[in-house]
Amino acid sequence: SQQGEEDPQALSIQEGENATMNCSYKTSINNLQWYRQNSGRGLVHLILIRSNEREKHSGRLRVTLDTSKKSSSLLITASRAADTASYFCAPFNQAGTALIFGKGTTLSVSS
Amino acid sequence: GAVVSQHPSRVICKSGTSVKIECRSLDFQATTMFWYRQFPKQSLMLMATSNEGSKATYEQGVEKDKFLINHASLTLSTLTVTSAHPEDSSFYICSAEPDRGRETQYFGPGTRLLVL
Repeated sequence: SQQGEEDPQALSIQEGENATMNCSYKTSINNLQWYRQNSGRGLVHLILIRSNEREKHSGRLRVTLDTSKKSSSLLITASRAADTASYFCAPFNQAGTALIFGKGTTLSVSS
Repeated sequence: GAVVSQHPSRVICKSGTSVKIECRSLDFQATTMFWYRQFPKQSLMLMATSNEGSKATYEQGVEKDKFLINHASLTLSTLTVTSAHPEDSSFYICSAEPDRGRETQYFGPGTRLLVL
């Protein structure tokens, strides 16, 4: 398993603004997944993008994947206070192996 | 969507006692589950991989006799913290990999353990 590294570590924005966070990884993947964690809670699966996909949308979320640069980005449009959470990316190689997490991006959205 | 539950959600115990945490996949079977721990404002640290019907695989630095893992069925894995000490206080989270469509994992809501 490999770890994703999120950037920036912290991001503070106003409601209505867009939030972009980035993820880098080191070796080839089958897919890359993004999770959200509210304080003191478990992780919620947000979106999965496969290695042969370049962009994926889900509601206000847009994920891109550039396998040549080994990077991904998560864009949250028209952010809300409820989007305040930590966001983690998880490169996925092989079934049966654990997801390894970096420090995440802590997003604060103020109203 | 796939649901993973954990029980209890929080537990307070005295030093020296043992605590069992359950992780259940409610609507799918999972041969493989994972246990993590998370300290405040830090990331999740993988503790062990739990496979139904076989011994768990522990990460380096995790004491297998301290953190007993039992994956007795395709929907249940348990983590027992034996002879708990205050430094074991943490947030424990499990995840389960569905046997069908093995390309993602679903996480439980976590168990907050406080050892006095």
